[in-house]
Amino acid sequence: QSVLTQPPSVSAAPGQKVTISCSGSSSNIGNNYVSWYQQLPGTAPKLLIYDNNKRPSGIPDRFSGSKSGTSATLGITGLQTGDEADYYCGTWDSSLSAEVFGGGTKLTVL
Amino acid sequence: QVQLQQWGAGLLKPSETLSLTCAVYGGSFSGYYWSWIRQPPGKGLEWIGEINHSGSTNYNPSLKSRVTISVDTSKNQFSLKLSSVTAADTAVYYCAKPITGTPHYGMDVWGQGTTVTVSS
Repeated sequence: QSVLTQPPSVSAAPGQKVTISCSGSSSNIGNNYVSWYQQLPGTAPKLLIYDNNKRPSGIPDRFSGSKSGTSATLGITGLQTGDEADYYCGTWDSSLSAEVFGGGTKLTVL
Repeated sequence: QVQLQQWGAGLLKPSETLSLTCAVYGGSFSGYYWSWIRQPPGKGLEWIGEINHSGSTNYNPSLKSRVTISVDTSKNQFSLKLSSVTAADTAVYYCAKPITGTPHYGMDVWGQGTTVTVSS
């Protein structure tokens, strides 16, 4: 049971847009910074979004992040087959004094 | 460009102690909290804990009684020990670096991962 709640799966067609939600509480998302990771099969996670909505160097602007209250959202536009992966949200939980992650969302590009 | 290289034993018996080390190359070691994260087969990410160059640590409460993270600043390395392992500790273990010196913004550099299997 993850502290942060994500949908297990989402899907969309190539070229379309998809959003992935991440729900938490005031002790984590509500008062801390959210990050998003992409994990392709057999590889280490890759940072897509940090500090709620910032993209590291080299991450295309097709990827975006937002936060409102105790929830966060990852948006991906112009979907490509190469975007098929597992996506995780993460943040610090001030009550636990620990980094916490969502359970992950599997993106299928139909 | 910072790179992380990790190593350690990949096959353990129940009750043994897991031991992994992560070396930091190509960047500053001080000013960051360095993390260990694991991922059981087919499951999500679980944060294990973190340490800074001064040796200050934070641990996942669910693992705290069995985890020790240490640092060797002379070698730019940090290490993980997890005692009394069981099959539930079977996972890929990663070390990771935060993107900024401000803690908990996100982790932008990851080690290659070490598969640890616990089996009698």
